[in-house]
Amino acid sequence: DVKVTQSSRYLVKRTGEKVFLECVQDMDHENMFWYRQDPGLGLRLIYFSYDVKMKEKGDIPEGYSVSREKKERFSLILESASTNQTSMYLCASRRDSFRETQYFGPGTRLLVL
Amino acid sequence: SQQGEEDPQALSIQEGENATMNCSYKTSINNLQWYRQNSGRGLVHLILIRSNEREKHSGRLRVTLDTSKKSSSLLITASRAADTASYFCATGRDDKIIFGKGTRLHILP
Repeated sequence: DVKVTQSSRYLVKRTGEKVFLECVQDMDHENMFWYRQDPGLGLRLIYFSYDVKMKEKGDIPEGYSVSREKKERFSLILESASTNQTSMYLCASRRDSFRETQYFGPGTRLLVL
Repeated sequence: SQQGEEDPQALSIQEGENATMNCSYKTSINNLQWYRQNSGRGLVHLILIRSNEREKHSGRLRVTLDTSKKSSSLLITASRAADTASYFCATGRDDKIIFGKGTRLHILP
């Protein structure tokens, strides 16, 4: 079974803090994704990576950056957290761009005060 | 950019009944997937149907795809309490996947 883990289930941070969300997958997948999920808006793609050290912007990259130094790990960084970044953050991986199925982590619920 | 749109937004049925959810999309696709999300958790892949397929089954799940109408339906037969969740369709084109906003399904005891 593919396993995607996220470093925290719940996180509370203050406005202006730098926040790191970590995601690790154990199946040697090439592609990794970060989404945020908000009520009424569904899943929105923040950033994705098709390979190590590669990254591409998704639909809502503003206020975020990412890092993929190792194949199994994809980090989402909130440079200066703001209250409108309070959300559920979901990480996903996929074997490669020729496979369609994405495997999701359990999510991190972030509250920015 | 929104592609798939689920209908209804919310659905409540009695345990044992069948549940049907629909997904409509706008542009041509290579495939369509359905995912389930239990409250406060990540999404779990249920089933994938390719654009050249019309129907697919997996256990109590039946998915249909009508590319001429740009729509898909997910049928869950003999619903159980454990089926209470949100269900998302995700349309695939080239190597991109776009998720809809989901249908919240509540199975009543």
